[in-house]
Amino acid sequence: RKEVEQDPGPFNVPEGATVAFNCTYSNSASQSFFWYRQDCRKEPKLLMSVYSSGNEDGRFTAQLNRASQYISLLIRDSKLSDSATYLCVVSHKAAGNKLTFGGGTRVLVKP
Amino acid sequence: DTEVTQTPKHLVMGMTNKKSLKCEQHMGHRAMYWYKQKAKKPPELMFVYSYEKLSINESVPSRFSPECPNSSLLNLHLHALQPEDSALYLCASSQVPSGGASVTDTQYFGPGTRLTVL
Repeated sequence: RKEVEQDPGPFNVPEGATVAFNCTYSNSASQSFFWYRQDCRKEPKLLMSVYSSGNEDGRFTAQLNRASQYISLLIRDSKLSDSATYLCVVSHKAAGNKLTFGGGTRVLVKP
Repeated sequence: DTEVTQTPKHLVMGMTNKKSLKCEQHMGHRAMYWYKQKAKKPPELMFVYSYEKLSINESVPSRFSPECPNSSLLNLHLHALQPEDSALYLCASSQVPSGGASVTDTQYFGPGTRLTVL
């Protein structure tokens, strides 16, 4: 079983719609959680860190469920520019600053 | 300024060549990283430098040789690479978690060097 798992998609989303997807992690000692977005042939860019209480940044909402060991990302009012691969990233204390990446979820927003 | 720069953007090299990838950041970060990313795969960690010292080597073949000349610069020296080493090489930087802190600090990625080995 992979340490961080994501549905690879693609999620085909009409412009203006809401899309949500999850990421599960296997290490219960995981402590830091992030969502990065990566455009084709570009570097990963931090979208948001995920906090225990959940957090929102504009149209993006991230939630953490420690009991079930998953994090989620919800995108409201999807824009064409939201088309990207969303990488779930996790780290845990014993790993120092080492990040573990999920395989990514591809989102395609269509007119 | 959350910018990490990498040069060159593209590199084509033969299996007998020696080349170097360069990474620079001016965010005052004291941790720097090299990742390798193949198409449609997530980044894979290669090396971590903390306070200019190598702290993690993910069993990377010796044909890849990292170097951290100072706190702002990170190099990756390449020698006798194989075609399967062709990939996007990403540099990242972050703060180092302070004194016993267990929370990972956010890593910021450079644009990468797209390497092709012929």
